[in-house]
Amino acid sequence: QVQLQESGPGLVKPSETLSLTCTVSGGSISSYYWSWIRQPPGKGLEWIGYIHYSGSTLYYPSLKSRVTMSVDTSKHEFSLKLSSVTAADTAVYYCARFYGGGTWYFDLWGRGTLVTVSS
Amino acid sequence: AIQLTQSPSSLSASVGDRVTITCRASQGISSALAWYQQKPGKAPKVLIYDASILQSGVPSRFSGSGSETDFTLTISSLEPEDFATYYCQQFNRYPITFGPGTKVDIK
Repeated sequence: QVQLQESGPGLVKPSETLSLTCTVSGGSISSYYWSWIRQPPGKGLEWIGYIHYSGSTLYYPSLKSRVTMSVDTSKHEFSLKLSSVTAADTAVYYCARFYGGGTWYFDLWGRGTLVTVSS
Repeated sequence: AIQLTQSPSSLSASVGDRVTITCRASQGISSALAWYQQKPGKAPKVLIYDASILQSGVPSRFSGSGSETDFTLTISSLEPEDFATYYCQQFNRYPITFGPGTKVDIK
């Protein structure tokens, strides 16, 4: 059974870079797209972007200048970096598998990790 | 970006009630819509994809319909475990966007 687990600091200072990793266990990271989605406290879901196991990426336009995603297939993990963070970036960050093949949806999710931006 | 609106934003219902949630897209998206259920402190869970296809393992009381700009999620008979927030999500065009959510709570 494939499982996803986010890891990374829970507190980041303003203007610094948020870094998270998602580890995929119980299955292959290859042949899939992998996404990051965030949810500010008490608010809705926001897609951040995706990365293919080959390394190709697509980011949400308004975040594109600050986002970098990478993948390490040998470690079965993919990562998110979000630079120049502000309080508005405080959210629960989820990693998810973007399942496709004509139809696309997020079929597997990690439990999420809360990242707070504060000095 | 394609905007998704949901109505109502919240509703109160009783166990056994039939519940319908609407999602409207700002432009036609064919059937490229999914529905998710999220309970407090948990990750979302996909219920429906391609507007009307039930995800494996999801109870048959959940159903989806619609195309282009107007979509509905129906729960035929509400169970206690269905009290949650429901989100629609489109994948017809990037960026992927979600609706603002509909919270279903106990009357």
